[in-house]
Amino acid sequence: LAKTTQPISMDSYEGQEVNITCSHNNIATNDYITWYQQFPSQGPRFIIQGYKTKVTNEVASLFIPADRKSSTLSLPRVSLSDTAVYYCLVGVEDTGRRALTFGSGTRLQVQP
Amino acid sequence: GAVVSQHPSWVICKSGTSVKIECRSLDFQATTMFWYRQFPKQSLMLMATSNEGSKATYEQGVEKDKFLINHASLTLSTLTVTSAHPEDSSFYICSAPGTYSYNEQFFGPGTRLTVL
Repeated sequence: LAKTTQPISMDSYEGQEVNITCSHNNIATNDYITWYQQFPSQGPRFIIQGYKTKVTNEVASLFIPADRKSSTLSLPRVSLSDTAVYYCLVGVEDTGRRALTFGSGTRLQVQP
Repeated sequence: GAVVSQHPSWVICKSGTSVKIECRSLDFQATTMFWYRQFPKQSLMLMATSNEGSKATYEQGVEKDKFLINHASLTLSTLTVTSAHPEDSSFYICSAPGTYSYNEQFFGPGTRLTVL
């Protein structure tokens, strides 16, 4: 099963914009791309979801290129409380079967 | 809305015993629920899909006789880890999908299982 890959970690400072990319080469044709935030010892929390182009909500933006083989989560003006692990979730086509697959996760550390 | 709870939040058991974890949708009905396992510093791995009124669907490599899933009602799914061993120690998380797509999931707070 092709992996859904993300950078292992990223560092940032308060007030900066952070962009986290997920690579999902085998994304299923009709599947959405969803991003989650997870704090230690908690369940993931939904951030944003999109199918193509750009989606924006009150906490983040999601950029999806035309081929949909990757996506970028953009967090504007991060704060210390944004320190967490961020995961993308996509449906992946593998040997005729569709499987919902979480990315490897990106650990974001926000410094003051 | 869309709150999912899990019980217990943590459990410690002896090797060879069975442990039951409950997953409840508190303010909505869920005909489908998902069970994940997460080892330290790793991503979530889907174990099985729980379906109300029918058998669960297990992912490749997950032993259905070891991880028993029962979706007894539209608000409750249970995962029983039978004859637990130390390698079963993990963080178990359930979720229920949203209305429009399975990608938008509402997760429970997770259950930390430690097998001695």
